[in-house]
Amino acid sequence: ETGVTQTPRHLVMGMTNKKSLKCEQHLGHNAMYWYKQSAKKPLELMFVYNFKEQTENNSVPSRFSPECPNSSHLFLHLHTLQPEDSALYLCASSQYLTSGTYEQYFGPGTRLTVT
Amino acid sequence: AQSVTQLGSHVSVSEGALVLLRCNYSSSVPPYLFWYVQYPNQGLQLLLKYTTGATLVKGINGFEAEFKKSETSFHLTKPSAHMSDAAEYFCAVSERIQGAQKLVFGQGTRLTINP
Repeated sequence: ETGVTQTPRHLVMGMTNKKSLKCEQHLGHNAMYWYKQSAKKPLELMFVYNFKEQTENNSVPSRFSPECPNSSHLFLHLHTLQPEDSALYLCASSQYLTSGTYEQYFGPGTRLTVT
Repeated sequence: AQSVTQLGSHVSVSEGALVLLRCNYSSSVPPYLFWYVQYPNQGLQLLLKYTTGATLVKGINGFEAEFKKSETSFHLTKPSAHMSDAAEYFCAVSERIQGAQKLVFGQGTRLTINP
């Protein structure tokens, strides 16, 4: 596998279920991200991890719980979701460039439907 | 706070015609700017980025963008559209956070190519 992979690609869950999304990066990057992409809003940054430490939480409801056991893996644990949480969840990782910025690489996303 | 506005949620051009996708940003510091493309059922792919230096930036697939500080713009162009360019395009401005990067995205522009 190369790049950033996400599993599952599609997930349907009821509001009382508990499920997890998985992201893995094979790029040797130090930072990983979760984004939410829904039809009616711009891409929203949810969480940022740098060397396994969470550095950003964009006021995300507690029904979303991230976990980063190491720099290559990132999980998003889901419980008691609402229908409005249905969206495409994108994972990304980044490396620092000598130009002074970062370059993010995105996975293909998990399409989540909450029924 | 930084923000991005993409003018036109949908743009339609004929094959072989000029593509122009508009992006204006707001930033209190010199910005790092990005254009990403998203094909159906895929994640985001970096097209090009502006960090410092030359204001005309060339990217993949024949796209380029020009950073104009006086107009706070970073419009994306391609001289001749191809059917394979049909996708959604996102402009983003970058903010550095602890060991990582926070991207603020515009709402996206869906590009349709007519034969």
